[in-house]
Amino acid sequence: KQEVTQIPAALSVPEGENLVLNCSFTDSAIYNLQWFRQDPGKGLTSLLLIQSSQREQTSGRLNASLDKSSGRSTLYIAASQPGDSATYLCAVTGNQFYFGTGTSLTVIP
Amino acid sequence: GAGVSQTPSNKVTEKGKYVELRCDPISGHTALYWYRQSLGQGPEFLIYFQGTGAADDSGLPNDRFFAVRPEGSVSTLKIQRTERGDSAVYLCASSRGQAGDNEQFFGPGTRLTVL
Repeated sequence: KQEVTQIPAALSVPEGENLVLNCSFTDSAIYNLQWFRQDPGKGLTSLLLIQSSQREQTSGRLNASLDKSSGRSTLYIAASQPGDSATYLCAVTGNQFYFGTGTSLTVIP
Repeated sequence: GAGVSQTPSNKVTEKGKYVELRCDPISGHTALYWYRQSLGQGPEFLIYFQGTGAADDSGLPNDRFFAVRPEGSVSTLKIQRTERGDSAVYLCASSRGQAGDNEQFFGPGTRLTVL
């Protein structure tokens, strides 16, 4: 069974810092990996989707990379802002669908 | 509609009762997914529809849970004889085409509380 792990579980940074969130998975037979943010009491907002044949995707201040062979993805956030505070979740799609438990990010003004 | 919608947003019920949760996917999306999320956890997969058929229902925890999508659009998740352990946020998502190819877009969820 696929296991998806996100480290750290929580992260607090001052505004303006660049930061990296990590996602690891145990089964490299995936179709894609998707990063989401979740605000308290809300649904999930899609940030980036990386297909298994891709190495990275970028959207604004966000960059996500995928190394399928090592079972890792990173989400890089540049010049963090207080509005980036949320829980960030990664999800892998293979034969089934698995989410990590998320990283709770707090950006301090 | 512009996004995935779910109704009701909150549902409180008593142990043993029957509940139905509804999901309206993005228009034209053929794939639809149900997940449930407990506090402090990531979403847990329940069932995936491609069109009207359940392509993968392996995440349904037991036979009290059932979902339908009769016309390939709206889906209803049905829970019989609810238990306190069923309390969670139930999330629905949809995507274009095949599950492996496309982004999933999520609704706001239904918070189910079983007393």
